[in-house]
Amino acid sequence: SAVISQKPSRDICQRGTSLTIQCQVDSQVTMMFWYRQQPGQSLTLIATANQGSEATYESGFVIDKFPISRPNLTFSTLTVSNMSPEDSSIYLCSVNWGTEAFFGQGTRLTVV
Amino acid sequence: AQSVTQLGSHVSVSEGALVLLRCNYSSSVPPYLFWYVQYPNQGLQLLLKYTTGATLVKGINGFEAEFKKSETSFHLTKPSAHMSDAAEYFCAVSPRGSQGNLIFGKGTKLSVKP
Repeated sequence: SAVISQKPSRDICQRGTSLTIQCQVDSQVTMMFWYRQQPGQSLTLIATANQGSEATYESGFVIDKFPISRPNLTFSTLTVSNMSPEDSSIYLCSVNWGTEAFFGQGTRLTVV
Repeated sequence: AQSVTQLGSHVSVSEGALVLLRCNYSSSVPPYLFWYVQYPNQGLQLLLKYTTGATLVKGINGFEAEFKKSETSFHLTKPSAHMSDAAEYFCAVSPRGSQGNLIFGKGTKLSVKP
């Protein structure tokens, strides 16, 4: 299995500021995925992060708002920029290991 | 585009009753299929998965699901509900097997009445 350490676990941020979320995996993986779970909603893929290349963003998500770094095969960061209350969500990173997807515990973000 | 449909955003059962949570998917090829559970203020936990082989898969906590290709379904069942089963359940597919992201259904919130 793969163990993912995600931090922070939660934060309350002022609108207009930025928050960087970190995910550390205990194994080397090619792809890391970032998801958003809005209140009472399901998980939506934000982007796929590959080491050594730019992240691939899903429709509705842009790099300027959600810049992603992937400096090596075990680490990635997602930044939520210029936050507004609509960005209040749970953000999760995920990796595939074998036939299974593993998830971080999530970052619960509240923007006030 | 691939999609996952979970019928019923909220299901309520009595303790000891059968749990049935429905999931249908659209895919041109049989995908990998998963059920995840999310307890309040916690992360996602894998209940069970189907990749290949036997179409009836057993998971943790007494849950099982059957992959029916002809019906493009992967319904989750448990013979007897416990109070501790109250949670949100997500069905997900991986259209590209182990090489891609998951596509999630909207989730079903299960309530268990004493």
